[in-house]
Amino acid sequence: KNQVEQSPQSLIILEGKNCTLQCNYTVSPFSNLRWYKQDTGRGPVSLTIMTFSENTKSNGRYTATLDADTKQSSLHITASQLSDSASYICVVRGHTGGFKTIFGAGTRLFVKA
Amino acid sequence: GAGVSQSPRYKVAKRGQDVALRCDPISGHVSLFWYQQALGQGPEFLTYFQNEAQLDKSGLPSDRFFAERPEGSVSTLKIQRTQQEDSAVYLCASSLGGEDTQYFGPGTRLTVL
Repeated sequence: KNQVEQSPQSLIILEGKNCTLQCNYTVSPFSNLRWYKQDTGRGPVSLTIMTFSENTKSNGRYTATLDADTKQSSLHITASQLSDSASYICVVRGHTGGFKTIFGAGTRLFVKA
Repeated sequence: GAGVSQSPRYKVAKRGQDVALRCDPISGHVSLFWYQQALGQGPEFLTYFQNEAQLDKSGLPSDRFFAERPEGSVSTLKIQRTQQEDSAVYLCASSLGGEDTQYFGPGTRLTVL
């Protein structure tokens, strides 16, 4: 059972528009949550990281939110650009022993001109 | 080097062959992770090294998979007697410490015929 669920699976938006991607997780106890951007044929690149006590974290046009009570996170992209076309992956790190991190399946974003 | 590099970028193997995938982490990074990413899915954790010590190998799917990092730098993921279900992109990531941001390589796409 996947402990990190992302929605939507894919999304098409026009250049310049905003969008919000969702991540629900069941990993507990929880250490941190990251959002990664993965371009086709490349490895993921970290966008934001949030710990239990943080609600919002911004990185340029990317803003991530976290509600640790409801175990939900979102990634908001403002004024989208063609280069934003990629997969966006939510990653949750548990607090149990070991170094395993749980990756969501990702949301595939297509930005059209 | 400037980033994590992996080789080969693409590997085609006949079922039953052994393969070896190489990862060169960022110089000075203590932690090294291997992930398996199936098409359209997020990466799944395979194993973790801290320097030369393999601290977590709970994600290795079978005893056909073996990873090593003998000198605490370059790592090799070996898959013996490859099966079609081993076809995936194998990603390597390194970080300063186990909790720090992971920097991913471009991956090796393995296709088993």
